[in-house]
Amino acid sequence: AQSVTQLDSHVSVSEGTPVLLRCNYSSSYSPSLFWYVQHPNKGLQLLLKYTSAATLVKGINGFEAEFKKSETSFHLTKPSAHMSDAAEYFCVVSALGQGGKLIFGQGTELSVKP
Amino acid sequence: DVKVTQSSRYLVKRTGEKVFLECVQDMDHENMFWYRQDPGLGLRLIYFSYDVKMKEKGDIPEGYSVSREKKERFSLILESASTNQTSMYLCASWTAINYGYTFGSGTRLTVV
Repeated sequence: AQSVTQLDSHVSVSEGTPVLLRCNYSSSYSPSLFWYVQHPNKGLQLLLKYTSAATLVKGINGFEAEFKKSETSFHLTKPSAHMSDAAEYFCVVSALGQGGKLIFGQGTELSVKP
Repeated sequence: DVKVTQSSRYLVKRTGEKVFLECVQDMDHENMFWYRQDPGLGLRLIYFSYDVKMKEKGDIPEGYSVSREKKERFSLILESASTNQTSMYLCASWTAINYGYTFGSGTRLTVV
């Protein structure tokens, strides 16, 4: 079975400081992992995905995530937060051969202070 | 540009009503999904379909049913709406090619 745990329900940073959103996963299969972002009253947008290629994955808007199998983690980082980064972020796992079923974490709300 | 279209953005229904949420995709994707999104719970899978007339239960199917008569259309049915089904409902489609996953913009359903 697959599962995802986002370790923080809310993260607050100041503009220009680094962002770290933490995610641990559990998967019986070789997982595919994703980060999605959802701005208020907007749809889900894919930030990045890991599908067994390079372990350091670069996404849109300066975000990146590193797949660490030994730690079963897939943390999302950004060197310098921008006000427009304020949103809810979801870590998601999908197992190969599961027909595209996604398991979502509970979400982390990111606030960015001026 | 690929699209998943949900027929209603906002919907208000009364308790006990039968409710249909419609989803159409124009990408010829094999699989389609219905999720509901609630604060603090993320998205949870209700039902999915991997072919016409085929369906599989997700994690929270109780109180829901689905219909897929054509490849491009996947309907979620609330047989008798209840207030605990007030939520945001998201449809998605998926193809094994390039692991493409596309979400609709969602339907916010309120049951009063």
